[in-house]
Amino acid sequence: GAVVSQHPSWVICKSGTSVKIECRSLDFQATTMFWYRQFPKQSLMLMATSNEGSKATYEQGVEKDKFLINHASLTLSTLTVTSAHPEDSSFYICSARGTSGLNTQYFGPGTRLTVL
Amino acid sequence: DQQVKQNSPSLSVQEGRISILNCDYTNSMFDYFLWYKKYPAEGPTFLISISSIKDKNEDGRFTVFLNKSAKHLSLHIVPSQPGDSAVYFCAASGQGDSNYQLIWGAGTKLIIKP
Repeated sequence: GAVVSQHPSWVICKSGTSVKIECRSLDFQATTMFWYRQFPKQSLMLMATSNEGSKATYEQGVEKDKFLINHASLTLSTLTVTSAHPEDSSFYICSARGTSGLNTQYFGPGTRLTVL
Repeated sequence: DQQVKQNSPSLSVQEGRISILNCDYTNSMFDYFLWYKKYPAEGPTFLISISSIKDKNEDGRFTVFLNKSAKHLSLHIVPSQPGDSAVYFCAASGQGDSNYQLIWGAGTKLIIKP
């Protein structure tokens, strides 16, 4: 149980294009999902908290107009990197909060984004 | 100000021996603690957690100990196996936090030597 998938697992795009990353909870409903970014040899950096049916809460320093988050259903959240630039190249990971009432997060496998 | 600290960037342990990973926290409002394991280019995998009402939780080879007075927790892996080589993250949460966010340590890279 508590499986989270991400799609795509990797993507290469040209500078200026937009990229959408999907995060799905496969065997449970997640009212809250999270989007993280990981730079090489660094810890996870929380970008935003996504709540089903409401606007995402972004962490300080994260541009909400650049990283669009939509959590339209209890099993799907999407992150769209708009007008991507090389500095947006990173490893993006989503997680979903479990249903036990505890704050356990279950993570997707991550998406490697490379912007040329 | 780091609220969750993992002071050892790396740890090397002989296969079959015990691995002990440590984590300290500063926020007394934290009441739920988790350990995750992460391989390169993959998402973290949940290992084990402990609520502040307990001081020990065990699951197979993994045991987490919580010392609330010292604001310290540790993860014990016995016996250590080559597949345990990974980066281990400690995370903490306050159940009263309506954002449900986890506060992460910087991670400790565990290397199991054959």
